[in-house]
Amino acid sequence: KAGVTQTPRYLIKTRGQQVTLSCSPISGHRSVSWYQQTPGQGLQFLFEYFSETQRNKGNFPGRFSGRQFSNSRSEMNVSTLELGDSALYLCASSYGTGGQETQYFGPGTRLLVL
Amino acid sequence: GNSVTQMEGPVTLSEEAFLTINCTYTATGYPSLFWYVQYPGEGLQLLLKATKADDKGSNKGFEATYRKETTSFHLEKGSVQVSDSAVYFCALSDRMEYGNKLVFGAGTILRVKS
Repeated sequence: KAGVTQTPRYLIKTRGQQVTLSCSPISGHRSVSWYQQTPGQGLQFLFEYFSETQRNKGNFPGRFSGRQFSNSRSEMNVSTLELGDSALYLCASSYGTGGQETQYFGPGTRLLVL
Repeated sequence: GNSVTQMEGPVTLSEEAFLTINCTYTATGYPSLFWYVQYPGEGLQLLLKATKADDKGSNKGFEATYRKETTSFHLEKGSVQVSDSAVYFCALSDRMEYGNKLVFGAGTILRVKS
């Protein structure tokens, strides 16, 4: 099976712009989660989608949003970019959402905000 | 809330040395526990997991045992290789209103010298 794919792999934006990142989960996986990784804050949970519904959200401002399509592909959007949004954004998929489910990660999208 | 604490790095070892990376957690209930590895420029790869007390996860020579009494999940390998150089993350599955999210430790950098 193909793994989780994320596009683009690298992005450079300027402050105030918006950006959309894309994630394709492993075939058959219905849950997609997004995480932000920075040197200062480490890995932090952004949100999780299941069957096109956002079910959980981390402690991030409303500028961070996302959606999931009927084929389980997901996008996240960050509006009005700030320098502090520079990070590696990781997408993870799992078949379900039980506590024993394993989340499989993509390679990430590295965003640099200038 | 639930949290994970890892030993600080970097950990520098010679090839064929024994590796231990300490991980302790704070959680209500009995979460699943995971070790993920991140190679330079890549996303997270699942290394091993354990879903209940006394379970031992193992993969590629790495092992970790879920110790409920000490709330620990230490990662061990008997003989490290240069190719094991990476960042290692301990994580737990944190129950949310719907589904779960991963809560990560800060990560431990491992450097193996030939």
